[in-house]
Amino acid sequence: QITLKESGPTLVKPTQTLTLTCTFSGFSFSATDVGVGWIRQPPGKALEWLALIYWNDDEHYGPSLRTRLSITKDTSKNEVVLKVTDLEPVDTATYYCVHLQYYFDGSAYVLDYWGQGILVTVSS
Amino acid sequence: QPVLTQSSSASASPGSSVKLTCTLSSGNTRSVIAWHQQQPGKAPRYLMKVEGSGNYHKGSGVPDRFSGSSSGADRYLSIFNLQSEDEGDYYCETWNMNTRVFGGGTKLTVL
Repeated sequence: QITLKESGPTLVKPTQTLTLTCTFSGFSFSATDVGVGWIRQPPGKALEWLALIYWNDDEHYGPSLRTRLSITKDTSKNEVVLKVTDLEPVDTATYYCVHLQYYFDGSAYVLDYWGQGILVTVSS
Repeated sequence: QPVLTQSSSASASPGSSVKLTCTLSSGNTRSVIAWHQQQPGKAPRYLMKVEGSGNYHKGSGVPDRFSGSSSGADRYLSIFNLQSEDEGDYYCETWNMNTRVFGGGTKLTVL
């Protein structure tokens, strides 16, 4: 059974850097067909993809926050860390960690499991 | 970057059926999409992926009442025998190796 859980601060000040950790079980980056991503959702708004990292360390970032994001993985700890720099109040959102599974039928990486999310508030 | 268009809202009565639409932008009409359900106050949940051929593959534990289909640039999520717990937001998503995109979501009300 695949599970993912986000952890980190729930209140951060403007201009600070946010560090979120995704700890997962039920899969491993030792498998050559998985990835982990981060998605956020401001209160009352739609989902926004932020970043992802594949089993082979290939990483990609969404266009809107590309210059402020960093994603890394620790295979031995089953963890993925997301850093977001230069926080502003508009970055207040629930941040979700997700599992990506590769399908050999041409679908490529399907997002098929979500973490419970962590609400991060940016305020002075 | 692909764009996904969804109606902002839909409504139906308990026991009835509803069909939600997600439209892919031109140049991406053959893409696979996924449907995700978000019940009020909860994290999203993966429901299924829908291919351009109309084939769909559901996630673990998704009830038989949910199915997918496709026509041209449109991808559909059909829900039969609507239950009160089906109320919530439904998002479609598409992707390639470098990027992932969500639609704006459809708010489904079960009256």
